[in-house]
Amino acid sequence: KAGVTQTPRYLIKTRGQQVTLSCSPISGHRSVSWYQQTPGQGLQFLFEYFSETQRNKGNFPGRFSGRQFSNSRSEMNVSTLELGDSALYLCASTDGTDYTEAFFGQGTRLTVV
Amino acid sequence: EDQVTQSPEALRLQEGESSSLNCSYTVSGLRGLFWYRQDPGKGPEFLFTLYSAGEEKEKERLKATLTKKESFLHITAPKPEDSATYLCAVPPGWAGGTSYGKLTFGQGTILTVHP
Repeated sequence: KAGVTQTPRYLIKTRGQQVTLSCSPISGHRSVSWYQQTPGQGLQFLFEYFSETQRNKGNFPGRFSGRQFSNSRSEMNVSTLELGDSALYLCASTDGTDYTEAFFGQGTRLTVV
Repeated sequence: EDQVTQSPEALRLQEGESSSLNCSYTVSGLRGLFWYRQDPGKGPEFLFTLYSAGEEKEKERLKATLTKKESFLHITAPKPEDSATYLCAVPPGWAGGTSYGKLTFGQGTILTVHP
């Protein structure tokens, strides 16, 4: 059974640019959550999508957005990149049931220069 | 606001030297606690889910336990391949409404096992 797939694995962008990250969940899972991981703040929840609808959102500015497609694949977009956006971006897949374990992808390492 | 605190921040062990990692949580009505292992540059790997005080789960050299205020990850006779960062996480408690993907993570314990 394939795991959670994130692409690309690495990205280097310039301040002010925008970036789109992709996540394909485990087959049969309909929920995708996104997290930002930095050395200073650790893992922080961005948002969650289920059946193409955002069900939950963390405390991040509007520059961070996402969407989910009918095949449950999800994309996350960050506009007007700042140096502080450099981080490991992780997506997690669940079956959508509340309080169930989440399975993470390998992450996308974003570096903003 | 839910809080998760892990200790110690870093732990160095000799191969075969058993020890425990601690995860203290402040959640109004715990609905679950998750343990993950994370290797450098990779995503967290799911280890255990604990739902109620007194519950224990085991996997190879790892055993996770849960009380009303904290969880422990016991590592018995560790090997160098057990070296990683161990994270615990909780969803919002009963007072926080639905969880829907949101987990609050601790800062992790960096475990190094020397041969």
